[in-house]
Amino acid sequence: DTEVTQTPKHLVMGMTNKKSLKCEQHMGHRAMYWYKQKAKKPPELMFVYSYEKLSINESVPSRFSPECPNSSLLNLHLHALQPEDSALYLCASSQDSGQRRPYYEQFFGPGTRLTVL
Amino acid sequence: SQQGEEDPQALSIQEGENATMNCSYKTSINNLQWYRQNSGRGLVHLILIRSNEREKHSGRLRVTLDTSKKSSSLLITASRAADTASYFCATAPYGNNRLAFGKGNQVVVIP
Repeated sequence: DTEVTQTPKHLVMGMTNKKSLKCEQHMGHRAMYWYKQKAKKPPELMFVYSYEKLSINESVPSRFSPECPNSSLLNLHLHALQPEDSALYLCASSQDSGQRRPYYEQFFGPGTRLTVL
Repeated sequence: SQQGEEDPQALSIQEGENATMNCSYKTSINNLQWYRQNSGRGLVHLILIRSNEREKHSGRLRVTLDTSKKSSSLLITASRAADTASYFCATAPYGNNRLAFGKGNQVVVIP
């Protein structure tokens, strides 16, 4: 299985709602990522998990809360979002890379299109 | 900081023609990768070239890397309508798995 799945595909939420995005992979990858992508822009890295531990947080506001329950799953909990948070949220995974290992390509899911009203 | 920066022009070509796009970056890299994104969907990895490689081929794709000029190019030969997409380069530094994506090139292949 060489697929990264994301649910839901589309999400509309109000600014007071709490929702979660889910991501799953069964490739045995030990690094997982969340990206945010606005229209006609490149993906922007939000979080990196390595061996289920948060290794990179790109100064993301606390209204975004990542969680990695196990090596196959990655969640992004959303609370009190703003309309400017509307974007495509992409999950990706890769074989982990450490300082002594070569870097590997990332496998992306189809994304969740989020609209905040 | 964002590393890869493609030339910002959009490409519109006829089916069967070749498409070339460029990418420049600013700091040392472990490798450089190219990804394709169809409208509103996830990214698909196309090819990875390591810093000690100069050229790499994969099917109709040819990637070059010039580390002295900190630049890379992606050539798609004999383009097809299905190649219509946005193409991003991404650089990977040494020591961490933080990819930096360039601005992307929109390619439209006209049947």
